[in-house]
Amino acid sequence: DAGITQSPRHKVTETGTPVTLRCHQTENHRYMYWYRQDPGHGLRLIHYSYGVKDTDKGEVSDGYSVSRSKTEDFLLTLESATSSQTSVYFCAISDGDRGLRGYTFGSGTRLTVV
Amino acid sequence: AQKVTQAQTEISVVEKEDVTLDCVYETRDTTYYLFWYKQPPSGELVFLIRRNSFDEQNEISGRYSWNFQKSTSSFNFTITASQVVDSAVYFCALSEALNYGGSQGNLIFGKGTKLSVKP
Repeated sequence: DAGITQSPRHKVTETGTPVTLRCHQTENHRYMYWYRQDPGHGLRLIHYSYGVKDTDKGEVSDGYSVSRSKTEDFLLTLESATSSQTSVYFCAISDGDRGLRGYTFGSGTRLTVV
Repeated sequence: AQKVTQAQTEISVVEKEDVTLDCVYETRDTTYYLFWYKQPPSGELVFLIRRNSFDEQNEISGRYSWNFQKSTSSFNFTITASQVVDSAVYFCALSEALNYGGSQGNLIFGKGTKLSVKP
């Protein structure tokens, strides 16, 4: 199931450093999402985008920012990484109600903040 | 507010047993979608099914079946004759219908049920 890729797949960074995760899609879908997955919490929405330059906050947006300057790329930035941001990050795309599958997820980025 | 509850944190069965994973949801919307995803030990999220709120027909796909009941706000998932390869974390999720002019359609996940199938 190509069409959405996340980079990097793994990253270890130090507390206080900025980190940017990239989500790239080739499906031309309008909607893109960033989630984080933590034990006992399932997946929680960080930020989402409903078009180029149109973004909004999700449930756990503190400490994160996003940008979407073109349809295919959605960047997630941790402005100053903290240990509490150690998590697995998933990007998802959606073409809206027309899509039978609804949402397609990337393979995830495992981020460790030390 | 929307909410998805998967009360079963972990389930362990022996191969060939049938197992049902429960999902209860809350929403004020009349139009919404329900999903099940599988997350095997490798970590990716695998789409299993999407169901819209207007379609209460049960669905069967091989050994998998889903029971959607609006009256009890439940969307339960049954695996018949379970196999070791079914071992995974299963997530139930809910989204509103997308409003192209707005900011809706976010996917709300339950906390997941870890299924272990022993040989």
